[in-house]
Amino acid sequence: GENVEQHPSTLSVQEGDSAVIKCTYSDSASNYFPWYKQELGKRPQLIIDIRSNVGEKKDQRIAVTLNKTAKHFSLHITETQPEDSAVYFCAAGGQGFQKLVFGTGTRLLVSP
Amino acid sequence: NAGVTQTPKFQVLKTGQSMTLQCAQDMNHNSMYWYRQDPGMGLRLIYYSASEGTTDKGEVPNGYNVSRLNKREFSLRLESAAPSQTSVYFCASDPNTGELFFGEGSRLTVL
Repeated sequence: GENVEQHPSTLSVQEGDSAVIKCTYSDSASNYFPWYKQELGKRPQLIIDIRSNVGEKKDQRIAVTLNKTAKHFSLHITETQPEDSAVYFCAAGGQGFQKLVFGTGTRLLVSP
Repeated sequence: NAGVTQTPKFQVLKTGQSMTLQCAQDMNHNSMYWYRQDPGMGLRLIYYSASEGTTDKGEVPNGYNVSRLNKREFSLRLESAAPSQTSVYFCASDPNTGELFFGEGSRLTVL
C-alpha cells in the first residue's frame, strides 16, 4: 500500500522567511496530493492540492510542486506570517480518494 | 449549514466499556470517513463509506465497527475500549472531489 513520509517534523522560521515542507510517497499509482493545515485544537483544513497532470500550483503565498518521477512533492510558503503557525499534513491518494494516506505532519512555528 | 458535526467532543471510558461516536453532515456528500489522530502519526483512516449502504476498512480498523445509517450519518463504535484507542477521532466527508471536510474532532481517553 501507499506510504507517505514527511520532513521535517518541526520547522521554525522568522516572520517574512520562506518555509518548505517535503513529502515522498511510494505508490506510483497515486495521482492526488493535498495539503492540510491544522491549527492548535482545530480541525484540519485543505489549503492547496495538486493532481498528477501538473507540476506546480500556486495560490497567493503558498505553492505546491510535484515530481512524479522522483515521487516527491513539496509545500512552499513565502513571506511567512505568525498566523501560518500550525501543523501541516501532506497526503497522497490514488484511484478513489478513499485511499488517501497522510504524512505524519510538520509543526511550523513562525516567530515575529 | 453546519458542515460535519461530531458528538461527543470529549469522552472518558474505562477499559472494556463500549461507546459510539456520532457523525452527521448536511452537505449531501456521498463519501464519509473516520480517522484517528495520534501524536507523531498523522491521520490514519479507520473506516470509510463511499456511499449509503457501503462501508470498507481503512488502515487501522481493528477494534472498531461502523454504520452508515443514511446519507447524512456515519457512526463509529468501540465495542470493548482499550487504552490503545485513546486518541482524537475525526469524522470527514467528501463531495467526491478529494477534498475532505472534517468535523471538530472527538477526544477519547480510555483508562
